[in-house]
Amino acid sequence: QQQVRQSPQSLTVWEGETAILNCSYEDSTFNYFPWYQQFPGEGPALLISIRSVSDKKEDGRFTIFFNKREKKLSLHITDSQPGDSATYFCAARDTGGNNKLTFGQGTVLSVIP
Amino acid sequence: EAAVTQSPRSKVAVTGGKVTLSCHQTNNHDYMYWYRQDTGHGLRLIHYSYVADSTEKGDIPDGYKASRPSQENFSLILELASLSQTAVYFCASSSINQAPLFGEGTRLSVL
Repeated sequence: QQQVRQSPQSLTVWEGETAILNCSYEDSTFNYFPWYQQFPGEGPALLISIRSVSDKKEDGRFTIFFNKREKKLSLHITDSQPGDSATYFCAARDTGGNNKLTFGQGTVLSVIP
Repeated sequence: EAAVTQSPRSKVAVTGGKVTLSCHQTNNHDYMYWYRQDTGHGLRLIHYSYVADSTEKGDIPDGYKASRPSQENFSLILELASLSQTAVYFCASSSINQAPLFGEGTRLSVL
């Protein structure tokens, strides 16, 4: 059962463009959404996160937009750099208190110089 | 510096053999997790623990056992390894209401 879905599976942008990665979920009890960045051969690293009480979270070139009514969120990477080439995972945690994350299947981003 | 250390980093096992993956954290975190990563599936939770000497089943626990002998250590045990368990395994730790910090992963090949 895929409770967190990401699109597209892969995305290629030119250096300097804005990359937009999408995420949607089904469970209305999800209230915390971290995004992880993973480079080949490494573990996922927390990039940015948002709680359901907010509709936007910004950290430098990375911004999360959150639409609670539609159960959708997106990660915008402005002025994309070749070093941003990685796999990005959207995850979600519910209010149950067990601290478990459910991950999407990931989006592979390639930034062409 | 916060750290989650996994060992071994890679392993080749034979079908039907026993495999133990180890994880050590120096973050004083209560929660520890084992995730499995397969291409196209993201990360899926196998087992987790929120206190020493206690483990909980995650979303895909079948074929796996877990052990949390201390706050710092969390092991994943495959009693009878199967071909379908070939994957990359990640350990993570966190405090309550905190996003998990992941280790570097263990690449397991079952032949």
